Amino acid sequence: AQTVTQSQPEMSVQEAETVTLSCTYDTSESNYYLFWYKQPPSRQMILVIRQEAYKQQNATENRFSVNFQKAAKSFSLKISDSQLGDTAMYFCAFVYNTDKLIFGTGTRLQVFP
Amino acid sequence: DSGVTQTPKHLITATGQRVTLRCSPRSGDLSVYWYQQSLDQGLQFLIQYYNGEERAKGNILERFSAQQFPDLHSELNLSSLELGDSALYFCASSVGRLNPGEKLFFGSGTQLSVL
Repeated sequence: AQTVTQSQPEMSVQEAETVTLSCTYDTSESNYYLFWYKQPPSRQMILVIRQEAYKQQNATENRFSVNFQKAAKSFSLKISDSQLGDTAMYFCAFVYNTDKLIFGTGTRLQVFP
Repeated sequence: DSGVTQTPKHLITATGQRVTLRCSPRSGDLSVYWYQQSLDQGLQFLIQYYNGEERAKGNILERFSAQQFPDLHSELNLSSLELGDSALYFCASSVGRLNPGEKLFFGSGTQLSVL
């Protein structure tokens, strides 16, 4: 079975600092995709970043970047220059050929001024 | 705005009742997915439709059913409601299948409260 684990239920960071959210997954598949979604207090699910497993290069979207370690089955999200608007739940998610996006339990991030 | 429209935003009902949640996908998207988000279960995949046909099924109860209509909008029907069905129900859409890793766009959800 495919599983996604986020071991940090809550994290906090000061504005302008950098924070890293952890995610590990378990799969026997070799070709899959990983995502980070953000859910602010408005509850809207927003795609932050996507990584293809066959690509060795880590994905980057502005202040958001990932550290993808395929052998270790690790997919962490780094947020640089944190902003108050980054306060949200962050979900790591995984999909292979089943069309089901499997989510982790989420990490609640609080950005302090 | 993701382009995925869900109605209603809030729904309050009683145990034993039946409700219908509606979702209009983004223009051009053929796949619709339903997810349930509750405090104890997290985000759970319920079911997926692609161009009117059921494509994948997750942890969907027998009391729940869904369909996708010719105009591609989808409805999730929840019947014989129980207190534990209270949750945020998300609809999401994508152009095709998630493999090879298409982006999934979520609606703003329907908050269901069963009293």
